[in-house]
Amino acid sequence: EIVLTQSPATLSLSPGERGTLSCRASQTISTYLAWYQQKPGQAPRLLIFDASNRATGIPARFSGSGSGTDFTLTISSLEPEDFAVYYCQHRSSWPPCFGQGTKLEIK
Amino acid sequence: QVQLVESGGGVVQPGRSLRLSCVASGFTFSNYAMHWVRQAPGKGLEWVAIISYDERHKYYPDSVKGRLTISRDTSRNTLYLQMDSLRVEDTAVYYCARDGPWDYSRHPQGTYYFDWWGQGTLVTVSS
Repeated sequence: EIVLTQSPATLSLSPGERGTLSCRASQTISTYLAWYQQKPGQAPRLLIFDASNRATGIPARFSGSGSGTDFTLTISSLEPEDFAVYYCQHRSSWPPCFGQGTKLEIK
Repeated sequence: QVQLVESGGGVVQPGRSLRLSCVASGFTFSNYAMHWVRQAPGKGLEWVAIISYDERHKYYPDSVKGRLTISRDTSRNTLYLQMDSLRVEDTAVYYCARDGPWDYSRHPQGTYYFDWWGQGTLVTVSS
């Protein structure tokens, strides 16, 4: 079973700053990776699929990159509504699974 | 607009059963695989079931295999999760989610990405 490890566990930044979140897979997963955003009390929202494709309606400040085992979600300039928990998820092999999450908090 | 609305959660004793429902609207339900994903209180996300667009294929992780059963009723645009022999560790918010972003014509077996989610329904297993 492939394990996804996200870092850091918590990221403290200010609005307007650039946010960089990492996800590392225990085995190569090509580009079969997605990123989700979850705000308190809400369901997750798909941001990025296949490592670098933005989902419908996702602002351009969100971008994804990487392949193989190392992936990055970048938020170019943080808006107040971007502070949330972010999860990566792979679909490369059985079973699909999520990382443990990175909490992006206001500094 | 895609909408998924879950119901059926509640408090149940260990060993008992519960059935969750998820009513879908805003898209052609029969063209998409569907999933259930759960989240224990204060914890991360865990995928628990998929059903293909045509109901022919159903898969589960080992943690729930034999106890949870996914099904769908296309005439009612409704997804179900039958939960039997419930355990304390099944306590979680259960979300239904659409497989996406492509339908069966491009990915007949499903993509295992979750592009639309319901608001979730809380299941508490406690004596």
